[in-house]
Amino acid sequence: QTVVTQEPSLTVSPGGTVTLTCASSTGAVTSGYSPNWFQQKPGQAPRALIYRTSDKHSWTPARFSGSLLGGKAALTLSGVQPEDEAEYYCLLYYGGAYVFGPGTKVTVL
Amino acid sequence: QVQLVESGGGGVQPGRSLRLSCAASGFTFSSYGMHWVRQAPGKGLEWVAVIWYDGSNKDYADSVKGRFTISRDNSKNTLFLQMNSLRAEDTAVYYCARDDQTFDYWGQGTLVTVS
Repeated sequence: QTVVTQEPSLTVSPGGTVTLTCASSTGAVTSGYSPNWFQQKPGQAPRALIYRTSDKHSWTPARFSGSLLGGKAALTLSGVQPEDEAEYYCLLYYGGAYVFGPGTKVTVL
Repeated sequence: QVQLVESGGGGVQPGRSLRLSCAASGFTFSSYGMHWVRQAPGKGLEWVAVIWYDGSNKDYADSVKGRFTISRDNSKNTLFLQMNSLRAEDTAVYYCARDDQTFDYWGQGTLVTVS
């Protein structure tokens, strides 16, 4: 049973920077896992932010960036805005199957 | 603009079946792989199934393998999820999402309640 892990919660001040990570129970996350990141606010469908580790969709704000960091996939929010308060999910690809992480609740305070 | 609209959700007893639909518009449906993703009340996202653009390949999460079937009708721009032998733990909002790699567009979801 493959398990993907994320920080349960993180708090950041407005204008600050926060990095969320996404780890795999199978070992180091590489670009082959095609990490995706999604944002979800209460009562809304998820919104895609990052695909293939670091590629942004046309609607992804510039302050969001994806990378690989210390064997994990990472999502960095720079210059955080109040509207960035949300749940963030990573998704990894395991050759035919996809596994979401449990999500990170980001609070802007 | 890209639009995905799920339908077919509702209340159903354990052991029964339900068929979800996802109507696509605003893009060339037959060119994209499609996913089903679900979210139990108050819980995180769970990937359910994927189907290639032409229906030639399908994959499933272990939790639904053998019970759920993903399919598509490219002539009607519609994605389906046939759910058999439903269990209480299948209770969730079911979303369809476009593109086998990027999950770029999502529908608003349809709620399935098994009890």
